[in-house]
Amino acid sequence: DVKVTQSSRYLVKRTGEKVFLECVQDMDHENMFWYRQDPGLGLRLIYFSYDVKMKEKGDIPEGYSVSREKKERFSLILESASTNQTSMYLCASRTSGSTLETQYFGPGTRLLVL
Amino acid sequence: AQSVTQLGSHVSVSEGALVLLRCNYSSSVPPYLFWYVQYPNQGLQLLLKYTSAATLVKGINGFEAEFKKSETSFHLTKPSAHMSDAAEYFCAVSGPGSSNTGKLIFGQGTTLQVKP
Repeated sequence: DVKVTQSSRYLVKRTGEKVFLECVQDMDHENMFWYRQDPGLGLRLIYFSYDVKMKEKGDIPEGYSVSREKKERFSLILESASTNQTSMYLCASRTSGSTLETQYFGPGTRLLVL
Repeated sequence: AQSVTQLGSHVSVSEGALVLLRCNYSSSVPPYLFWYVQYPNQGLQLLLKYTSAATLVKGINGFEAEFKKSETSFHLTKPSAHMSDAAEYFCAVSGPGSSNTGKLIFGQGTTLQVKP
């Protein structure tokens, strides 16, 4: 079974803090994604990576950055957390090559910024 | 540009009743369509996907969806709801350049409530 793990299920941070969210997958997938999930808005893509050290902005990249130094790990960084970044963050991974390949999701990190 | 609209943010059915969750898409190219389910406090998991091989797609847990090009729809159905079906359901369409990137565009989600 594919396994995507996220470093924390719940996180509470203060405004202005630098926040790291970690995601690890164990299936040697090339593509990895970070989404945020908000009620009524569904999932919105923040960043994705199609290979090690390769990244591309998604639909809502402002206030976020990412890092992919190893194939299995994709980190989301909030440089200076703000209250409007309180949300559920979901990581996903998939193998490349076909549009039909399934994205596999981690359990999510619920972040509260005070 | 690709987009997805899910009609109804909340759907409530009685146990044993038909489940119908609506999804309409917009795509400038032949679309690939997906339904994902999110159970409470969990990530998303794939229910089914439309691959163009057949317009009626069967998924896990008794769900199925029918692709109707003329209506640009991909509605999700289940003949008889079970309490364990209570979850949030997301429809998604393959995004631009997705053959290389795998990008998906998700709908707003529909929360299914199942009453005893």
